[in-house]
Amino acid sequence: AQSVTQPDIHITVSEGASLELRCNYSYGATPYLFWYVQSPGQGLQLLLKYFSGDTLVQGIKGFEAEFKRSQSSFNLRKPSVHWSDAAEYFCAADSWGKLQFGAGTQVVVTP
Amino acid sequence: NAGVTQTPKFQVLKTGQSMTLQCAQDMNHEYMSWYRQDPGMGLRLIHYSVGAGITDQGEVPNGYNVSRSTTEDFPLRLLSAAPSQTSVYFCASSPSDQGAPGGELFFGEGSRLTVL
Repeated sequence: AQSVTQPDIHITVSEGASLELRCNYSYGATPYLFWYVQSPGQGLQLLLKYFSGDTLVQGIKGFEAEFKRSQSSFNLRKPSVHWSDAAEYFCAADSWGKLQFGAGTQVVVTP
Repeated sequence: NAGVTQTPKFQVLKTGQSMTLQCAQDMNHEYMSWYRQDPGMGLRLIHYSVGAGITDQGEVPNGYNVSRSTTEDFPLRLLSAAPSQTSVYFCASSPSDQGAPGGELFFGEGSRLTVL
């Protein structure tokens, strides 16, 4: 069955430190891949997306993600987190027009 | 530009009651969808529509009905609410001209539903 897995339910990071969120997918063919962010009490906002081409994708708010076909991964990174990056992050994959989300990773930023 | 508007933001129902969650978008998007969000399960697709008059089931459609009479509106109906339907519901739309996500989804702020 197709699936999107985010292995880390919860991550705590110090402000100014780097952040990496993991995402693995299981699909027959490479799907479209996305990262969304959800701030408390809000809907989701698209951070970045990968369709094809360059495997390093730049997004909004200083985030980037790297697609690795050999590992079926699409990990999200930020070199230096800000307190405002505290949120829940969702990886998603689209195959045949239906978007499937991972369970999410909650990011806590400490001073 | 309002984007995707959901009403109500909060609702408490008793088991067996019916209600409709409203969703409207003013971006002229053809694709609209409903998701439910439950802790530890991410977002799961309930129903979606690729244009007025066309709807289809997602991953968890049981207990929910939808219709799409206009491009702007995509209401979600619970005919007989059950405690298992306690969740946060999100409406989302997409400008994709393929009629399906492959592009960005624009989300409403969510509707929190509690069924007692």
